[in-house]
Amino acid sequence: NAGVTQTPKFRVLKTGQSMTLLCAQDMNHEYMYWYRQDPGMGLRLIHYSVGEGTTAKGEVPDGYNVSRLKKQNFLLGLESAAPSQTSVYFCASSYRAGISYEQYFGPGTRLTVT
Amino acid sequence: DAKTTQPNSMESNEEEPVHLPCNHSTISGTDYIHWYRQLPSQGPEYVIHGLTSNVNNRMASLAIAEDRKSSTLILHRATLRDAAVYYCILKQAGTALIFGKGTTLSVSS
Repeated sequence: NAGVTQTPKFRVLKTGQSMTLLCAQDMNHEYMYWYRQDPGMGLRLIHYSVGEGTTAKGEVPDGYNVSRLKKQNFLLGLESAAPSQTSVYFCASSYRAGISYEQYFGPGTRLTVT
Repeated sequence: DAKTTQPNSMESNEEEPVHLPCNHSTISGTDYIHWYRQLPSQGPEYVIHGLTSNVNNRMASLAIAEDRKSSTLILHRATLRDAAVYYCILKQAGTALIFGKGTTLSVSS
């Protein structure tokens, strides 16, 4: 199993450009999540999905959109990138959302917005 | 949200045990205690979790105080590969893991 994979690994955008980050998991997990991590900080939840075709907002959803058209994929979109969105983005998945189920994380995408 | 308090940093020598403390005085009866770690330039990885009883797995042990207001993650023999940021997280009903700043563990040879 590849686990959780993220594409791309690195990206540089100019202010106002758009892009989509792709997350894929091969563990048949129901739940998927997008987090961002700023320097010296812990992770903050952007959006999450409890199943195919469903999404919900997390702690810091502004400026981002998501889609879960297939169970194994979770896409994070930036419609008009801003320098404040410079961060490392992590995708995660879990079998369920119960309090005892662990999350599996991808390797991250490092995004710089100039 | 229930909060945890961890030291900013700790140091250890290779092959010695490491005890990473976490205070969570406002823990509720249904909160699980989760530990994750994040190696440099990698995503977080699950380490261990527990509710009331002490727990062991291949990576670590989790010792939970009888009143559940504190816990300790125990690495029995630290290796250089254990140098990471360790996050103590109270997992409540719902979907989000709430990460604090964690404890940065340094391991010296």
